[in-house]
Amino acid sequence: GAGVSQSPSNKVTEKGKDVELRCDPISGHTALYWYRQSLGQGLEFLIYFQGNSAPDKSGLPSDRFSAERTGGSVSTLTIQRTQQEDSAVYLCASSFGGLAKNIQYFGAGTRLSVL
Amino acid sequence: AQSVTQPDIHITVSEGASLELRCNYSYGATPYLFWYVQSPGQGLQLLLKYFSGDTLVQGIKGFEAEFKRSQSSFNLRKPSVHWSDAAEYFCAVGGGFGNEKLTFGTGTRLTIIP
Repeated sequence: GAGVSQSPSNKVTEKGKDVELRCDPISGHTALYWYRQSLGQGLEFLIYFQGNSAPDKSGLPSDRFSAERTGGSVSTLTIQRTQQEDSAVYLCASSFGGLAKNIQYFGAGTRLSVL
Repeated sequence: AQSVTQPDIHITVSEGASLELRCNYSYGATPYLFWYVQSPGQGLQLLLKYFSGDTLVQGIKGFEAEFKRSQSSFNLRKPSVHWSDAAEYFCAVGGGFGNEKLTFGTGTRLTIIP
């Protein structure tokens, strides 16, 4: 596609339920990133995939959060047993490779509301 | 650890006036620096980036930024703002290979008044 695509654009769920957020990166981009944007906060790094390397999971806030990237393309961020503090906009970005000399292109995000 | 500070949460500027948004960073080596803009309901769009070389970088939409190592700053400027510039602006720092994640500031919301 022309840009990074995220779905759904909005998700409302009940506390305790599991949710899956999807990211379809720009074709040919080998790197994929997930960030979280909470109200009044900057963007918080969650996880980074680069090619077939082991992902950098250092930003995941708890073991309720996980992500996978199938076939080096589409990625799914899963939040288990959602809590109200998980309410935020989840942004996905992709790039040609590592950060050096490359630019991260962002999707429009998924707004998650946990009731 | 790397960090970014944007000291101004909200700035209001008259249309046609000049603009400067402040950004200070903390990083142990030569940083890669970015400014992104986010319009309501939209993703982030890159305005400009600094990797090396000329410390004054030009970006899209008439924006520019100057890297000042001695002040650990990367302030964003525009000589004359337009109503369409109203948005949230984020400064970010990254470190290149082995440190690809971006660390963002908390953002500055820009309001344009007629």
